[in-house]
Parts: sequence; structure tokens; C-alpha cells
Amino acid sequence: QSALTQPASVSGSPGQSITISCTGTSSDIGSSNLISWYQQHPGKAPKLMTYEVSRRPSGVSDRFSGSKSGNTASLTISGLQAEDEADYYCCSHAGSDIYVIFGGGTKLTVL
Amino acid sequence: QMQLQESGPGLVKPSETLSLMCTVSGASVSSYYWSWIRQSPDRGLEWIAWIYYGGSSHCSPSLRSRATISVDMSKNQFSLTLNSVTAADTAVYYCAQIVWGGASFDPWGPGTLVTVSS
Repeated sequence: QSALTQPASVSGSPGQSITISCTGTSSDIGSSNLISWYQQHPGKAPKLMTYEVSRRPSGVSDRFSGSKSGNTASLTISGLQAEDEADYYCCSHAGSDIYVIFGGGTKLTVL
Repeated sequence: QMQLQESGPGLVKPSETLSLMCTVSGASVSSYYWSWIRQSPDRGLEWIAWIYYGGSSHCSPSLRSRATISVDMSKNQFSLTLNSVTAADTAVYYCAQIVWGGASFDPWGPGTLVTVSS
């Protein structure tokens, strides 16, 4: 099963909002609500930002919000801040055998 | 606060076996589901396996023939072995807890780089 498709890069200015898309198929995103997003700064481990499409772990800013429509999931970051500059990865449940697949990652640049 | 820490050799020779350990602090390994995930520039993030202390476990179909995941409750650790490694197994290996509800991971360990080279 192929990786989920994300744009290679997105950018925005401080204070703006951006949205990162993640496109899959009816076998993963389209049939699951177990979709999560991760933030990764250089040299660090990924950090969970949203799970079960739109839930946020304790301690994650409400500037981060997840959504899903059909075979595409999205992560929206509002009120961009310099510290949001990082790589972002989506992840979807893909059945009991494959379990999960990840997206190829999107580099967010805060201008 | 739960923390995870990977440990293992940084360098493994081709065809040999890679063994990694994840030590859990701040929680009991018998209380949750656990997973191994790896990341490389070529393959990106790749889920490897999950385990529950009660004995249930599951490995990725692409690695099932070479990977074994196990848990040691006496040491509050879980481990991964990957045999017959090749250069394609060179990656940063992470251990992580599976969030209740499934298919998401938090927290992660800091990761350990494993290089397969002679």
C-alpha cells in the first residue's frame, strides 16, 4: 500500500492560517476515523498533534485542528507562529493487517 | 509523566540481527499497547509492529518474516529484533505508546539511529 500523499511544502506568514492536505484511498482515510497528525522538528521525534481526526492531546494548542472529507484529511494551523516551522506527517489506520500508513511529510516554512 | 527510551547498537553488519530495547518509565508496560516505528530518508515513516503485554502482537506484512516484538514486564521494557538486515534497514528507530482507541502514537522515544554497514 502506498504512502498517503501530502504536498512537499507549504508556507505562511506569522498570524496567518495554513492547511496541509493528506490524500489517501477508500481503504485507509476514506474508511477510518483513526487519522492522526504529527509535528517533527529537526533531530527530534514526531509529536502527536491531533488524533481520531480532530481530537487534540492535552497540551496541544487549539490553533491546531484536524478534519476529514472523503479520502482526504487536513490539518489547519491558525495564527502561525515561528515555532510551528517543522515537518508535518499524517497517518491513517489501514486495516488490521497493514495497521497504519504515513504520509510522505510536508515542510512548513513560516516566512 | 511517561517517558520512553530506545537502546541498541548503532552499527549492525549486513545479514546479522538487529536488537533494540525500549525502556518505559512513568507507566507500566502491562497497561498499554506499544509499537516500533522507523524513519529513513528513502522510506519515510514506517510502522513496524505493535504488542500488548497479554501476548497479542502484530508485525507489518513487509517485515513479518524478519521481525519479532516482545515485552519484558520484569524490566518494564519491550523489544524488537530484526534479522537478516540489509542497508535498507538503516533508519532511526522509535518506540512509542499506542493511544487508547488505536492507530496513533504518543509519546515517542527520542529515537536511535541504526546503520547497517560492513
